[in-house]
Amino acid sequence: QSALTQPASVSGSPGQSITISCTGTSSDVGGYNYVSWYQQHPGKAPKLMIYDVTSRPSGVSNRFSGSKSGNTASLTISGLQAEDEADYYCSSFTSSSTLVFGGGTKLTVL
Amino acid sequence: QLQLQESGPGLVKPSETLSLTCSVSGGSVSSSSYYWGWIRQPPGKGLEWIGSIHYSGSTYFNPSLKSRVTISVDTSKNQLSLKLSSVTAADTAVYYCARSYYLQPKIDYWGQGTLVTVSS
Repeated sequence: QSALTQPASVSGSPGQSITISCTGTSSDVGGYNYVSWYQQHPGKAPKLMIYDVTSRPSGVSNRFSGSKSGNTASLTISGLQAEDEADYYCSSFTSSSTLVFGGGTKLTVL
Repeated sequence: QLQLQESGPGLVKPSETLSLTCSVSGGSVSSSSYYWGWIRQPPGKGLEWIGSIHYSGSTYFNPSLKSRVTISVDTSKNQLSLKLSSVTAADTAVYYCARSYYLQPKIDYWGQGTLVTVSS
């Protein structure tokens, strides 16, 4: 299975909004509403930020939001804060009953 | 609070079998709503799903690793295990155990991860 496609890096200034895309196929992202997003700080385990395309786990800031259009899912972070600087990964269920991750996006807060 | 803790050798020789255990506390691996799985991350690289198991025995694997992977669950010890055979340097990674809601990418609990290096 091929990894989902994410931009290698994105950046933004504090207070701004950024969007990270995650492109797959009709066999994964486009075929199911089972897309999640994870935040990973250096040396730490990933943290679930968004699941089922748009849902936020308890305790995750409402500055984080998810969406999907066709085969591309997106994570938007509004009101950027220094603590948001991290790597972000998308993940999807696939038609083969497997899970696949994106290659990851490094977010830099300028 | 659910906690997952990986354990196992940090160094494995090429061609040998990597074996890791994940101890689960604060919850049961026998819960019907969850799958338990393994995910790895080579140094400086992205996440790769290895496979997942339900306590009933249902297993699902990454096709690229399926021929070399065994995942099992021990309900009496509340543990899951990973075996990866015929390892090479490309298998050097931080290995995480994790819990997902059914077989969805809603992975809500992760272990801290353990680095396994493949080297002679």
